[in-house]
Amino acid sequence: AQKVTQAQTEISVVEKEDVTLDCVYETRDTTYYLFWYKQPPSGELVFLIRRNSFDEQNEISGRYSWNFQKSTSSFNFTITASQVVDSAVYFCALRRVSGGSYIPTFGRGTSLIVHP
Amino acid sequence: DVKVTQSSRYLVKRTGEKVFLECVQDMDHENMFWYRQDPGLGLRLIYFSYDVKMKEKGDIPEGYSVSREKKERFSLILESASTNQTSMYLCASSIQGSHQPQHFGDGTRLSIL
Repeated sequence: AQKVTQAQTEISVVEKEDVTLDCVYETRDTTYYLFWYKQPPSGELVFLIRRNSFDEQNEISGRYSWNFQKSTSSFNFTITASQVVDSAVYFCALRRVSGGSYIPTFGRGTSLIVHP
Repeated sequence: DVKVTQSSRYLVKRTGEKVFLECVQDMDHENMFWYRQDPGLGLRLIYFSYDVKMKEKGDIPEGYSVSREKKERFSLILESASTNQTSMYLCASSIQGSHQPQHFGDGTRLSIL
C-alpha cells in the first residue's frame, strides 16, 4: 500500500520568510512519480512539479525549490522569500507506474498562510 | 489551454434529493476522477474512470454513483443526498500514464440541508 504524509497541517509565516513544506511517502515500488499541487483560495488545484523516482536532482523554479531524497523517502518543497500570493493549500501526491490504474495517492495537504 | 469545467460552483440541495454534479474536460483525456475534500481529510477519491463506460470505485464510493457516456464528460450522482455529503467536490482529468499530472476543475461546494 502507498501512503503520503504531510505532517504539517498549517504553517503561518510572515512575508519574505523562507518556508519548507514536508512530504514523506511510503511505497514498495521502485518506480513511481511524485507531484506537488497548489490549491489557492479559488479552489482549483494547480500542478507545480513532477519528479520520477530515478531522478534525484533538486529542482529550482524561481522562488520555488524541491528536494527529493530517496534515502529518506521525502520530497520537500521550499518557498524562498514567501509572498502573500503563496497562501494556499499544498498537496503532495504519489503515482505508481505499475499495477494498473495509476490512481494517485494524495497527502492531506499543508495550509500555508503568508501574512503581510 | 487545458480546461476542466464543473457545472456549478455552489449548490444547495435537500436531504433525499438526487443530485447530479457534472464535469467536462476539453483535452481528450482518458482518465477522469471525482474527489471530495473535507477539512483535515485532504482529497478522498470517490470514483475513477479510465475510459468511456468504465469506472472504478475509489476510497469512499458509498452513496455515490458515476456515469461516463462520453469521453469528455464524467458525472457524479448522489442517489439520495444526505447531510454528511455536504462537502467540496473536485473533478480532475489526466492523460493515460502514471507520469501525467492531473488537471482539476474549480470545485463544487455542495450543501445538503
